[in-house]
Order: sequence, then structure tokens, then C-alpha cells
Amino acid sequence: DADVTQTPRNRITKTGKRIMLECSQTKGHDRMYWYRQDPGLGLQLIYYSFDVKDINKGEISDGYSVSRQAQAKFSLSLESAIPNQTALYFCATSSPRQGDTGELFFGEGSRLTVL
Amino acid sequence: AQTVTQSQPEMSVQEAETVTLSCTYDTSENNYYLFWYKQPPSRQMILVIRQEAYKQQNATENRFSVNFQKAAKSFSLKISDSQLGDTAMYFCAFSINFGNEKLTFGTGTRLTIIP
Repeated sequence: DADVTQTPRNRITKTGKRIMLECSQTKGHDRMYWYRQDPGLGLQLIYYSFDVKDINKGEISDGYSVSRQAQAKFSLSLESAIPNQTALYFCATSSPRQGDTGELFFGEGSRLTVL
Repeated sequence: AQTVTQSQPEMSVQEAETVTLSCTYDTSENNYYLFWYKQPPSRQMILVIRQEAYKQQNATENRFSVNFQKAAKSFSLKISDSQLGDTAMYFCAFSINFGNEKLTFGTGTRLTIIP
């Protein structure tokens, strides 16, 4: 089983609909992230969370919200989806603890298409 | 703000040959972390190699090595004895913090290994 699991893997929706992308992890990491990938732009940080009570905006948070329901779960919501939110979304985790590598561990991505 | 530039959108090389992917970055920080991530067609992001700026020795992981030039702010990835499984998008990334809460990515290089 994957350490970082994203659902759904693919989703097509219509403009104005509310969408939630979910992420769960079994790595025991405190830090979780949501990134967006667009062709030719690399990955951009949407939100990140250091623990359940800590939520921070990234570079491109407008139009998105997040919820850290538990240490292992971090969900991303689009309250009213628009076509330019069509992208590949990645959840990731990391740990700053001594002995860890500090690298990001990614899920397999959620491809969202907004028509 | 940090920036990461990958000037080669696409590259191709024959199987078993050596290829070098370029990455430059801009920062005023003295200590930081640099990464190369691989994104195969399965789309999951996988860490290839990491370099800590305070370490002068270039990082090596099997067939993958880096040429880290701190003064020039350059961080290139060399893949030796390239294999078909190396076909992927490669992203250079930068972070000033261990634990990567603000990882900045380049726009990627699409590498194709030709049989």
C-alpha cells in the first residue's frame, strides 16, 4: 500500500461545483502539503500544515481551502471550481526530525478537470 | 524569494549514454537544500538525489550524481549509463529549511531515453 494516498485519482467536474481532494498518510509525518502542477510551471505550493492546529497559505492559495482532520489526513477543497483550476494536484508529507532526510514524499496525484 | 531555473525543456539520449540536466537557482541564503525529483509517466514524484549546501562534496546515488557549484548557483544532474526506466520529467527543487515547507520547483526537463 502507498504511504501517501490521494483520492480521487481522477475527477471531472463542472464550473461552480464544490470539490474535495483527500489525502491520507501512514508515514507518521507531522508536515503535510498540497501542491498544484501545471504544464510548463512545475509545482506550486497551495497550502501546508505543520500539525493539526497549524495551517499556512502557500504561493497560490486563492480559491482553495484545506482541513487537517488528523495528523494523517489533509484535505483540499475547491468551494466553487473554475476551469483554470484544472491541474494535477499532489499531496506530500515530510518530517523535520533528526535522522529523517527532510525529503518530500508524494502521493500519486489527483487529476482534476473543470469543464 | 528563491527562484529555480531549468533551461532545457526537453532532452533525449541513447540508452547507455550519459546525460546532464542543468539547474540554476537564485538565493541570498547561505545554507539551503537542493533536490532532483523524478516524475515518470506514472506521475508520482520520486526523490532522486539531494545536496546540502554546506557540504562541498557532490552527492552521488548509484548512476546519479550532481555537480554542485555554490558560487555559480548551479546544480546539475548527471545520469550515467542511462536506462529506459530513466525516461521521465526531472524537477530541480530548492529549500532553505530542512523539512521542506517551502520547496521551490523548477519547470522541469522532459528526458527521453531512446532504445
